[in-house]
Amino acid sequence: GDSVTQMEGPVTLSEEAFLTINCTYTATGYPSLFWYVQYPGEGLQLLLKATKADDKGSNKGFEATYRKETTSFHLEKGSVQVSDSAVYFCALSPSGGSYIPTFGRGTSLIVHP
Amino acid sequence: SQTIHQWPATLVQPVGSPLSLECTVEGTSNPNLYWYRQAAGRGLQLLFYSVGIGQISSEVPQNLSASRPQDRQFILSSKKLLLSDSGFYLCAWTATGFYREQYFGPGTRLTVT
Repeated sequence: GDSVTQMEGPVTLSEEAFLTINCTYTATGYPSLFWYVQYPGEGLQLLLKATKADDKGSNKGFEATYRKETTSFHLEKGSVQVSDSAVYFCALSPSGGSYIPTFGRGTSLIVHP
Repeated sequence: SQTIHQWPATLVQPVGSPLSLECTVEGTSNPNLYWYRQAAGRGLQLLFYSVGIGQISSEVPQNLSASRPQDRQFILSSKKLLLSDSGFYLCAWTATGFYREQYFGPGTRLTVT
């Protein structure tokens, strides 16, 4: 079945540091890929998405590129802020008839001033 | 624009008591609806999903049940709560289009005492 693997956290950075959170996936066909963010005590919010190979999703300074050859969708940001502290989830939505998405376990990001 | 509501926001219930959590979606029709549970440690566990009124699929056998009495209403229930039912419950919806990104509600924090 489908699977999503994220790097273990927590990731701890100083403000203005470069961020990378790795995500790799296993799926048949051509899934859509997503990053979600969850702030403490809240539901998940869609951060960005990519729907085909080589697409780059971007939002709020975050970027991720759909790499089919390496089955990866790594999240990056050039300069993190304290307000970026949250849990980040990588996810895929299958391309076939299934309506069941697959989520990674989440990576906690802590940004210190 | 679409909005998803969940209530209550927090709930403290004794073991053995019943449970009813409600989720409603506004601004869309015929959404796919999902219930997730998030225990301490961040991971998402899919409990139920529904692709239409009266159509419920269960992903995890447990003492919870779900119902969809109206197109945009999704209810999570239990006749007798267990301590292990404590957690953060999230409702989500997905459009029936191709990309299927999910939109999450604010969540219900359930503590079973």
